[in-house]
Amino acid sequence: SQTIHQWPATLVQPVGSPLSLECTVEGTSNPNLYWYRQAAGRGLQLLFYSVGIGQISSEVPQNLSASRPQDRQFILSSKKLLLSDSGFYLCAWTPEYTQYFGPGTRLTVL
Amino acid sequence: GNSVTQMEGPVTLSEEAFLTINCTYTATGYPSLFWYVQYPGEGLQLLLKATKADDKGSNKGFEATYRKETTSFHLEKGSVQVSDSAVYFCALIITQGGSEKLVFGKGTKLTVNP
Repeated sequence: SQTIHQWPATLVQPVGSPLSLECTVEGTSNPNLYWYRQAAGRGLQLLFYSVGIGQISSEVPQNLSASRPQDRQFILSSKKLLLSDSGFYLCAWTPEYTQYFGPGTRLTVL
Repeated sequence: GNSVTQMEGPVTLSEEAFLTINCTYTATGYPSLFWYVQYPGEGLQLLLKATKADDKGSNKGFEATYRKETTSFHLEKGSVQVSDSAVYFCALIITQGGSEKLVFGKGTKLTVNP
């Protein structure tokens, strides 16, 4: 079966520290992968998507970056976190024209 | 352009009440339509979907019908339960830049009281 994993589940980081969130998908190959952010009480914002290894498209300018070092791995990073980076980060993939989401990572920047 | 408009909440109902959450869309072509549900502290779960006009998606007692003539995909449930308390997102999917992308509504928070 196909599943999507994210870790860590929760993270508390100080302002200015680096960030690395990981997303992996099992049971498929060459999936389209996505990173979303959801600020508290708000809707979803698409941050990045990837159609293959090393192929990253950014939707909004910010201090975050994404990488896809392996076929089923998608990483969200930052060199220096801002308070405004706090939120719920969701990874997603799209098999058969339907998008499915991972369990999410709740990031709090203090 | 492509957009989704859903009724703003919050919506508060008593248990066993009838639920309707309105959703209308603007899109080029005929996109697939979705309802997602987000329970407190969790990610988004696909609730139901419809891929063409007059299709009815259904799951867990929820239903929505793809209405091309009114460009709508309203979510309904005949008798809500406390466990249905969540945020509901309407969405459509488009193909852009070689990838499928979801266009979301802003979400409707539902609270069901016992």
